[in-house]
Amino acid sequence: NAGVTQTPKFQVLKTGQSMTLQCAQDMNHEYMSWYRQDPGMGLRLIHYSVGAGITDQGEVPNGYNVSRSTTEDFPLRLLSAAPSQTSVYFCASSRITGGNQPQHFGDGTRLSIL
Amino acid sequence: KNEVEQSPQNLTAQEGEFITINCSYSVGISALHWLQQHPGGGIVSLFMLSSGKKKHGRLIATINIQEKHSSLHITASHPRDSAVYICAVSDDYKLSFGAGTTVTVRA
Repeated sequence: NAGVTQTPKFQVLKTGQSMTLQCAQDMNHEYMSWYRQDPGMGLRLIHYSVGAGITDQGEVPNGYNVSRSTTEDFPLRLLSAAPSQTSVYFCASSRITGGNQPQHFGDGTRLSIL
Repeated sequence: KNEVEQSPQNLTAQEGEFITINCSYSVGISALHWLQQHPGGGIVSLFMLSSGKKKHGRLIATINIQEKHSSLHITASHPRDSAVYICAVSDDYKLSFGAGTTVTVRA
């Protein structure tokens, strides 16, 4: 099993550009989530989903959109990239009632906004 | 103030030493998670617990719900234990993370 796969691993964008970070899991997990990790700070929840067609905001949702059309995929869209969105992004998945299940993380996407 | 506080922020130990990392939280939780992140690497779940104590190899995690405190212990530490250890607390759907403890084990 591949687990949680994130693409790309690295990306450099210019301010104002848009892009989509991909996240796919092959464990048939209902719960998926996106986090950003910044130096000196803990991981912060951006958006999460408890199943296909259901998404909700986390702690820092501004500037990001998500959708969940299938159980396997949970893409994160940056609408108009800003330097403040320079970060490492992690996707995670788990069985339903995500907070009470072990989390499976992807390897991360390192994103730089110039 | 962060809901989850970890201490120490950094820790250096000699190989073989016993290591303790502490986590305090200020909200009601459904579960507490301990995660490991190696430099430049991904994040791995070590433990999830809601009461008592769990052990896996040389790692032991404990939680005191009344005191809102958890500890992660590493016995007989080894250089391969060098990593960032992250505490997280959860309600049913959202996790809140501590800033992490950077552990360096010297041979």
